[in-house]
Amino acid sequence: DAGITQSPRHKVTETGTPVTLRCHQTENHRYMYWYRQDPGHGLRLIHYSYGVKDTDKGEVSDGYSVSRSKTEDFLLTLESATSSQTSVYFCAISAVGGSGANVLTFGAGSRLTVL
Amino acid sequence: GQQLNQSPQSMFIQEGEDVSMNCTSSSIFNTWLWYKQDPGEGPVLLIALYKAGELTSNGRLTAQFGITRKDSFLNISASIPSDVGIYFCAGQRGGADGLTFGKGTHLIIQP
Repeated sequence: DAGITQSPRHKVTETGTPVTLRCHQTENHRYMYWYRQDPGHGLRLIHYSYGVKDTDKGEVSDGYSVSRSKTEDFLLTLESATSSQTSVYFCAISAVGGSGANVLTFGAGSRLTVL
Repeated sequence: GQQLNQSPQSMFIQEGEDVSMNCTSSSIFNTWLWYKQDPGEGPVLLIALYKAGELTSNGRLTAQFGITRKDSFLNISASIPSDVGIYFCAGQRGGADGLTFGKGTHLIIQP
């Protein structure tokens, strides 16, 4: 998967517990993204990062926070998980930004179930 | 937010048939991309389109970037069993703000 590793790949947790998903890349790409995928909705952007400590919100950011302290790692945190956050989460990376085309490469996904 | 209307939602075809799917938007995009997703995996890029009117092929796949910048189509010729999966269109206006995805077309090939 082009040097993208997501962990954990599967997680089951209970409502109200905190959860952190990790995305690790070995490509030294500047841009990193978190998407969620749900039936009937396709892929929706949660948050993205355009550099170390530089992040911004996407379409469905409520209930999620992110951090990027190193180029290679982008963390997605659910402070208090809810059942509506049961989903498959995908990390993506991109080397091109600004006014250039932005072709994303995706990780294999993290399946989260909130009971 | 921006909306991409992808159709059809699903397709049931016979092996060897040609396939056509498309995406339309009310907004202009500067880049159109087509991805394929296999079960349990992340989407994989098939074709990227960077200019209005551009027609690009990748093996049996052909995609076009609409002249109005508001649509794109993907054709698959002579389908084979490994073509089964979910196909997504995605558009980008520019900058680092990620891609907007269609809801996907499920391609199912009947023997």
